[in-house]
Amino acid sequence: GAVVSQHPSWVICKSGTSVKIECRSLDFQATTMFWYRQFPKQSLMLMATSNEGSKATYEQGVEKDKFLINHASLTLSTLTVTSAHPEDSSFYICSARELGAISDTQYFGPGTRLTVL
Amino acid sequence: GQQVMQIPQYQHVQEGEDFTTYCNSSTTLSNIQWYKQRPGGHPVFLIQLVKSGEVKKQKRLTFQFGEAKKNSSLHITATQTTDVGTYFCAGTNTNAGKSTFGDGTTLTVKP
Repeated sequence: GAVVSQHPSWVICKSGTSVKIECRSLDFQATTMFWYRQFPKQSLMLMATSNEGSKATYEQGVEKDKFLINHASLTLSTLTVTSAHPEDSSFYICSARELGAISDTQYFGPGTRLTVL
Repeated sequence: GQQVMQIPQYQHVQEGEDFTTYCNSSTTLSNIQWYKQRPGGHPVFLIQLVKSGEVKKQKRLTFQFGEAKKNSSLHITATQTTDVGTYFCAGTNTNAGKSTFGDGTTLTVKP
């Protein structure tokens, strides 16, 4: 149980294009999903907290117009990197917290490696 | 804001030796979770500690939560090559609704 999928697992795009990453909770409903960015050999940097049916809460320094988050249902959140540039190349990981769970456990997706040329 | 510090950053051990990673928060936590990330993989949940002074064991892994709920440790007894990876702690302040991850401790085990 508690499986989170991410699609695509990797993507290469040209500078200036937009890329959408999907995060799905497969066997549970998630009121809250988190989007992280991880640079090589570094920790997870929280970008934003996504709540179903409401606007995402962005961390300080994260541009909301560049990283568009939509949490349209209890099982799906999307992150769109708009007008991507090489400095946006990174490993993007989502996690989901189960609806109604007492625990703060996060279940992580496998991540999406974005390379912007 | 809340800060979570984790030490050491790297630890190299001989197979069979013990390993410990420490996590310290700048604020009192509601709970703390530990995750393991294998090279090339994603973080996988190991355990959550909630109570002050709590100690939990999973086979060779022992997790502790400090009395003040501001620090935690993960101890691995007699490491094996399968223990290789980066161990992250994540401190949660329920009022904030999110967890703050430590920088992780990367463990390498020499056979």
